[in-house]
Amino acid sequence: NAGVTQTPKFQVLKTGQSMTLQCAQDMNHNSMYWYRQDPGMGLRLIYYSASEGTTDKGEVPNGYNVSRLNKREFSLRLESAAPSQTSVYFCASSLKTSPVQPQHFGDGTRLSIL
Amino acid sequence: QKEVEQNSGPLSVPEGAIASLNCTYSDRGSQSFFWYRQYSGKSPELIMFIYSNGDKEDGRFTAQLNKASQYVSLLIRDSQPSDSATYLCAVNKGGATNKLIFGTGTLLAVQP
Repeated sequence: NAGVTQTPKFQVLKTGQSMTLQCAQDMNHNSMYWYRQDPGMGLRLIYYSASEGTTDKGEVPNGYNVSRLNKREFSLRLESAAPSQTSVYFCASSLKTSPVQPQHFGDGTRLSIL
Repeated sequence: QKEVEQNSGPLSVPEGAIASLNCTYSDRGSQSFFWYRQYSGKSPELIMFIYSNGDKEDGRFTAQLNKASQYVSLLIRDSQPSDSATYLCAVNKGGATNKLIFGTGTLLAVQP
């Protein structure tokens, strides 16, 4: 049972380059999320998809786009990378039910922008 | 005021002691509360979740929720050096979404 799989695990980009981070889950979850984690800032929500076919902005969406490709896959794109986007990126998924269910995280992508 | 607040620590406890981790939240509409453990360089791992006022126990872990005081805590009994990690409190955003707001975490150090 793989859970949430993120690729790549590490990446170094130059300022202005573009990149897509991939995320797939095999838990039949409805909702998927992208977070970034910076020292002292905690986990901040970039974008989320409550269910297949929908996406919404989170707390820090500027400079990012997302695609919910199907129920399993949710990708995050940096169109023109900036040094401020150097961070660890986590994808998560959860069932969409009431009460709110726990989110399960992938192993993360460590991204450096030079 | 932050939506979810935690003391950043480090909280240092001797091996075998009880570690008490605290979290306060601002949204009275929040109904779901989660504790995650995160080892350095790793991803967050779910430890406990609680929906109702009172205590919920799972092994050495107990989550406590007081909605009137907007306070949730995690107790770790018989603390082990392997419990040394950052503990993240997460609270659902009020309303119909599944969004969680995370605290910045408390670093726990269990001394052998």
